[in-house]
Amino acid sequence: TQLLEQSPQFLSIQEGENLTVYCNSSSVFSSLQWYRQEPGEGPVLLVTVVTGGEVKKLKRLTFQFGDARKDSSLHITAAQPGDTGLYLCAGTYFLSGSARQLTFGSGTQLTVLP
Amino acid sequence: ETGVTQSPTHLIKTRGQQVTLRCSSQSGHNTVSWYQQALGQGPQFIFQYYREEENGRGNFPPRFSGLQFPNYSSELNVNALELDDSALYLCASTLGGLAGIYSGANVLTFGAGSRLTVL
Repeated sequence: TQLLEQSPQFLSIQEGENLTVYCNSSSVFSSLQWYRQEPGEGPVLLVTVVTGGEVKKLKRLTFQFGDARKDSSLHITAAQPGDTGLYLCAGTYFLSGSARQLTFGSGTQLTVLP
Repeated sequence: ETGVTQSPTHLIKTRGQQVTLRCSSQSGHNTVSWYQQALGQGPQFIFQYYREEENGRGNFPPRFSGLQFPNYSSELNVNALELDDSALYLCASTLGGLAGIYSGANVLTFGAGSRLTVL
């Protein structure tokens, strides 16, 4: 069983602060995705990282994939109340043949207070 | 039709009953996967279908079963419901198989989920 651990589990910060969310695994993943989920909705893809050491930026969000492809981080600069939500990392691994599955972390619930 | 639509949005069942959850994918999305999300947790993979055939299964018992239809809709069936089956069930679909998702070429689109409560 492939496990992804996210930390912190809960994070409450003031608007304008910076934060980092971590996603760690003992397994090597072929790729890793970050999603955001809001109440009453399904997860929405933010980014996919594929190459070890890769860094991607999406406005105020910076995503990094570890060199060994076992960990990832999400950094948000100058957080806004609209960033509030459940942030999920998800790694992919092979089941058998060409079948693959996404394994999700337990999530980080972020609350940004105005 | 755009997006992924799930029904019902909420339902309540009693232990031992059976439930069918439905998912309508975007036209052309030939890959669908189902996830169970307990409160405060990340989604757990149940199984996935590619061109109407099961193409992978997570650690769920056989009483969880599914179907995918030619019209891009799918079903999740759960028999002999247990209290621990209470969760949000998510359907997700994509075009052209799963390899594109993991390379970033394609996007896995989730529905809003069906909230099941087992009493």
